[in-house]
Amino acid sequence: DVKVTQSSRYLVKRTGEKVFLECVQDMDHENMFWYRQDPGLGLRLIYFSYDVKMKEKGDIPEGYSVSREKKERFSLILESASTNQTSMYLCASSSYREISEAFFGQGTRLTVV
Amino acid sequence: AQTVTQSQPEMSVQEAETVTLSCTYDTSESDYYLFWYKQPPSRQMILVIRQEAYKQQNATENRFSVNFQKAAKSFSLKISDSQLGDAAMYFCAYSRTDKLIFGTGTRLQVFP
Repeated sequence: DVKVTQSSRYLVKRTGEKVFLECVQDMDHENMFWYRQDPGLGLRLIYFSYDVKMKEKGDIPEGYSVSREKKERFSLILESASTNQTSMYLCASSSYREISEAFFGQGTRLTVV
Repeated sequence: AQTVTQSQPEMSVQEAETVTLSCTYDTSESDYYLFWYKQPPSRQMILVIRQEAYKQQNATENRFSVNFQKAAKSFSLKISDSQLGDAAMYFCAYSRTDKLIFGTGTRLQVFP
């Protein structure tokens, strides 16, 4: 059973804190993605990675950074959390050879107070 | 840049009836993939159906089928014999070589 696991389902952080969202996949996928989901806006791509130590900006990278030191793990970092980063964050992975089969984690609902 | 548009924020259907969710997209490419994803209250995104643009035949998965109109850049999802478990957010998505681009979603309610 394929799996993409996000470290937390719910997270509450204070403004200005450094926040780490972790995502691990067990399918040996090359591609990993971080999306942000907001009502009425759908899923917007923050960053994606094609390989270890490689990253590409998505549509809304401002205020975020990422790290991919190992193939199975892709971390999203909020350097200084702000209230406008309160949202649902979804991680996904896919194979380079089978892009259409993207698998998602269960999401992290982050609240910044 | 590619875009995906879902013009129906909410839809409702009676159990056992049929409902169609709309999706349009914009791209200058000729070869790409289109998808419908379902997100139930559990938040787990589930692939419902996919369509390769080079295939003229519309994809079908049990009660789910699509109407793919390439020239019109339209990709609607038809759910037949709707069930209570079909209640969810449905997202249309586009992919060419890498990342998925999503629409804003349609919330489907199913009434008994």
